[in-house]
Amino acid sequence: EDQVTQSPEALRLQEGESSSLNCSYTVSGLRGLFWYRQDPGKGPEFLFTLYSAGEEKEKERLKATLTKKESFLHITAPKPEDSATYLCAVQAFSGGTSYGKLTFGQGTILTVHP
Amino acid sequence: DTAVSQTPKYLVTQMGNDKSIKCEQNLGHDTMYWYKQDSKKFLKIMFSYNNKELIINETVPNRFSPKSPDKAHLNLHINSLELGDSAVYFCASSQLLRGRTHEQYFGPGTRLTVT
Repeated sequence: EDQVTQSPEALRLQEGESSSLNCSYTVSGLRGLFWYRQDPGKGPEFLFTLYSAGEEKEKERLKATLTKKESFLHITAPKPEDSATYLCAVQAFSGGTSYGKLTFGQGTILTVHP
Repeated sequence: DTAVSQTPKYLVTQMGNDKSIKCEQNLGHDTMYWYKQDSKKFLKIMFSYNNKELIINETVPNRFSPKSPDKAHLNLHINSLELGDSAVYFCASSQLLRGRTHEQYFGPGTRLTVT
């Protein structure tokens, strides 16, 4: 069964203090790894898709990387508005009845203090 | 413009009642999903429809019945509501391609509280 574990569960940073969030995964074959941001009371907002080991994607202060066992979300010089829960999800190659199924991790709650 | 919308935003009801949640997407996607997010914020897929055909049906009580009248709509009907059904329910949509999958876009969620 596909598994996704995120660490840490919660992370507190000072504004400008760079750090990384980890997403470890176990799948039979990775079709894609997704990062989402979720603000309180809202639905997850898509950030990145990574398809193969070595791939990197960047958006403003965020950079996502992928290896064969884990993905990192690097946050450079974060601002208070980056505070949110960051979710990682994987999609595996599987039988035809499971197309599109995402398996999510439990998320990392990021708080950035001014 | 709203991409994926859900109604209602909040739903408070008593045990034993039957309720429905509606979802609509205007992204032109061919696949829609229902997810449940529990009190620990863990998101888990329940159902998925591709071109009105059920393609994912996780281990969900048969009190939950999805219905897709067309590609842009996916509704969730819940019979005989129980306390444990209290959660936030998210609808999502994506364009599904056999070779590679596209990202899913989520609605704002429906917070269901069963008393």
